Amino acid sequence: GESVGLHLPTLSVQEGDNSIINCAYSNSASDYFIWYKQESGKGPQFIIDIRSNMDKRQGQRVTVLLNKTVKHLSLQIAATQPGDSAVYFCAETVLQGAQKLVFGQGTRLTINP
Amino acid sequence: DAGITQSPRHKVTETGTPVTLRCHQTENHRYMYWYRQDPGHGLRLIHYSYGVKDTDKGEVSDGYSVSRSKTEDFLLTLESATSSQTSVYFCAISGQGGNQPQHFGDGTRLSIL
Repeated sequence: GESVGLHLPTLSVQEGDNSIINCAYSNSASDYFIWYKQESGKGPQFIIDIRSNMDKRQGQRVTVLLNKTVKHLSLQIAATQPGDSAVYFCAETVLQGAQKLVFGQGTRLTINP
Repeated sequence: DAGITQSPRHKVTETGTPVTLRCHQTENHRYMYWYRQDPGHGLRLIHYSYGVKDTDKGEVSDGYSVSRSKTEDFLLTLESATSSQTSVYFCAISGQGGNQPQHFGDGTRLSIL
């Protein structure tokens, strides 16, 4: 798969390839980050989260990397499948009771057969 | 599913009319949130609640009010709807622990003519 530049709204990959979706966050005080997947006509669906005391966290076929030095977050999806086609959002917040999430603009991931 | 029901799912109304959107949860979570989603803006926080009768403003609260008289229900009201409030509205919930991710409903599509 290809890495994408920051703020690029679309990413197209071949089925079976790995995908990397990048996100720049804005608040250096943010200490909790979440990736969501949104399919057409539905609400955002939780994928994976990470706290600022970690650099990497793995889930099933997904990995999130956090680089606090440059305020950068990435989501890696292994062996992408047609069902991975969606818009992916990163969100950040400072953990202090209620989570006032600040969302990125989103990246549309398209899987080519 | 996260046990979140939004109603109505779709609504068309006229400028100047009052509109109330309802979010109902079955998870007994403490925190509830209202977001709006517009093209090019991702999701933006309107209001949130940290308990019964306890609410606070988010990033884009002007023109909106909320109420929470029961743990399970969080209402969003547009006192006098304007065309700029045409959007998709999402409700979310999160539990007591600060690092529990928010889970979202499937949204209400509101059109104001």
